[in-house]
Amino acid sequence: KAGVTQTPRYLIKTRGQQVTLSCSPISGHRSVSWYQQTPGQGLQFLFEYFSETQRNKGNFPGRFSGRQFSNSRSEMNVSTLELGDSALYLCASSLSGRATDTQYFGPGTRLTVL
Amino acid sequence: DQQVKQNSPSLSVQEGRISILNCDYTNSMFDYFLWYKKYPAEGPTFLISISSIKDKNEDGRFTVFLNKSAKHLSLHIVPSQPGDSAVYFCAAIPTDSWGKFQFGAGTQVVVTP
Repeated sequence: KAGVTQTPRYLIKTRGQQVTLSCSPISGHRSVSWYQQTPGQGLQFLFEYFSETQRNKGNFPGRFSGRQFSNSRSEMNVSTLELGDSALYLCASSLSGRATDTQYFGPGTRLTVL
Repeated sequence: DQQVKQNSPSLSVQEGRISILNCDYTNSMFDYFLWYKKYPAEGPTFLISISSIKDKNEDGRFTVFLNKSAKHLSLHIVPSQPGDSAVYFCAAIPTDSWGKFQFGAGTQVVVTP
């Protein structure tokens, strides 16, 4: 079956702009999580959605937001971009988001903020 | 606040030898632990997991050990192969938490011929 897809794969923005990233989970998966990966920091949890509801949120400012649609596709938005937002943004899908469900990651969106 | 720590950013090992990757955690609520492998330009892929009710789990060449009292886990790869060259992340989560996995910073493993 098709894996997790993320679009776009690469993005260049300037400070102050906003950006929207998209994630399509594996068919049948209802949980989508978002992570930010920066050098030396590993993957930092942003938020998790299940059935269009945000169930968990990481320690990121309110400039980072997300949503999930009825078909489980998810988007994350970052407003008023800062240089420090440059990172690889990964989404992962799983059946229900339980700890024991295997998470499948997409290839990520590389965001560069100039 | 980094609750999961991988203190070795890199590891070089000869083909055929054992690779040992270490991970420490601080949150006593974590009771499920995972290892992921990541190649460049790809997302992480699940490797192996362990529940806190166990102290060892094996899957082929990969074995994860958990020492709850020390809040420490390790991943052993035996024997190491060139295709194992990748970044390895450990992750942890309380089993009653939804999707909020905490990841370490990763260890770059290079397997040399």
